[in-house]
Amino acid sequence: TQLLEQSPQFLSIQEGENLTVYCNSSSVFSSLQWYRQEPGEGPVLLVTVVTGGEVKKLKRLTFQFGDARKDSSLHITAAQPGDTGLYLCARAGGGKLIFGQGTELSVKP
Amino acid sequence: SQTIHQWPATLVQPVGSPLSLECTVEGTSNPNLYWYRQAAGRGLQLLFYSVGIGQISSEVPQNLSASRPQDRQFILSSKKLLLSDSGFYLCAWSVSGNRETQYFGPGTRLLVL
Repeated sequence: TQLLEQSPQFLSIQEGENLTVYCNSSSVFSSLQWYRQEPGEGPVLLVTVVTGGEVKKLKRLTFQFGDARKDSSLHITAAQPGDTGLYLCARAGGGKLIFGQGTELSVKP
Repeated sequence: SQTIHQWPATLVQPVGSPLSLECTVEGTSNPNLYWYRQAAGRGLQLLFYSVGIGQISSEVPQNLSASRPQDRQFILSSKKLLLSDSGFYLCAWSVSGNRETQYFGPGTRLLVL
């Protein structure tokens, strides 16, 4: 299957906590994108990972691509209320992007 | 730099009325263009994509159609809206030849009553 499974679906934490969200597939994929979407707005591309084992950092966000290129994770350190939003992973498949269902993150002050 | 616009931002339409949503891209030539629908703030479903003027590919059978009358203009239409057409519609673009990295517009919230 080319489906992407994201977990957890919902996450509510306090400001300052750390968290990790996951994106998994049973298929190998060539690259994976992470997007963040705020309510009422379009998704914004955060990062693209292409190499198995690759780690990319974007300030307090750390993205990792699994060695077998079937999974990815997003770790946020010391979460802030501004991190609140829907986090979507997406992979290329059949000439199009296939999206996971997203992880809805709420960071409370 | 490239920018993508969508309008209207919000639309409330009665069942059976027509629909026209517009998307335009600035700062790039011959982009790939996409229409997605997002239900209840969850994953995105690809509706249509276009690799050039007049070239439209439909991903799912539905009550909607798309057209690309100009290089950087993409229109989503319906002749008669259904209740199930309600949702958040997103337009996106990517560089020609690359469908993996897409950039999204601000979206249109459609409510069919």
